[in-house]
Amino acid sequence: EAGVTQFPSHSVIEKGQTVTLRCDPISGHDNLYWYRRVMGKEIKFLLHFVKESKQDESGMPNNRFLAERTGGTYSTLKVQPAELEDSGVYFCASSQDWAGGSEAFFGQGTRLTVV
Amino acid sequence: AQSVTQLDSQVPVFEEAPVELRCNYSSSVSVYLFWYVQYPNQGLQLLLKYLSGSTLVKSINGFEAEFNKSQTSFHLRKPSVHISDTAEYFCAVKVTGGFKTIFGAGTRLFVKA
Repeated sequence: EAGVTQFPSHSVIEKGQTVTLRCDPISGHDNLYWYRRVMGKEIKFLLHFVKESKQDESGMPNNRFLAERTGGTYSTLKVQPAELEDSGVYFCASSQDWAGGSEAFFGQGTRLTVV
Repeated sequence: AQSVTQLDSQVPVFEEAPVELRCNYSSSVSVYLFWYVQYPNQGLQLLLKYLSGSTLVKSINGFEAEFNKSQTSFHLRKPSVHISDTAEYFCAVKVTGGFKTIFGAGTRLFVKA
């Protein structure tokens, strides 16, 4: 069974440009999460989808970030326009149910560098 | 709100030595506790978790962690480490019945020959 897949693995863009990150969750997982880790700091929650609906987007930094999950399958996270402080590793995770004890499976992450 | 503190950012240790990675959490409600590991160039993997019952939980590769409610700790231990244990380890909590995982800042474990 394929795990959570993220594209691209690395992205280097200039300040002011747009970048779109993609996440393909494990098939059948209704729950999809985005997290971000700024260098050396904790991994922070960004948002949570249940199927195509945003359950919680309280962690989104600002309106330059837009997440979508069309059809309840893969998800995209767009940053427009990118700023230097957006650099970090963006993780996607998925789980079958959102009960507290269920395991979230993580992708390898996308390392975004804004220069 | 919940928070997680990993007391050591880096832990160097010689192969076959014991190791303890410390984790303390703060929460006014009951939580589940997790340790995740990230090996070089890989994603996060669940190492072990505490949901309820026995306070000592173990992984398949020899790690164990003990939930201590009075000290709000969930330290990770291994009696004898291998070179292959070199990785970054993240302690995390999730509110019982909730969905948002709160992570610590991570501890880099370096195992030296």
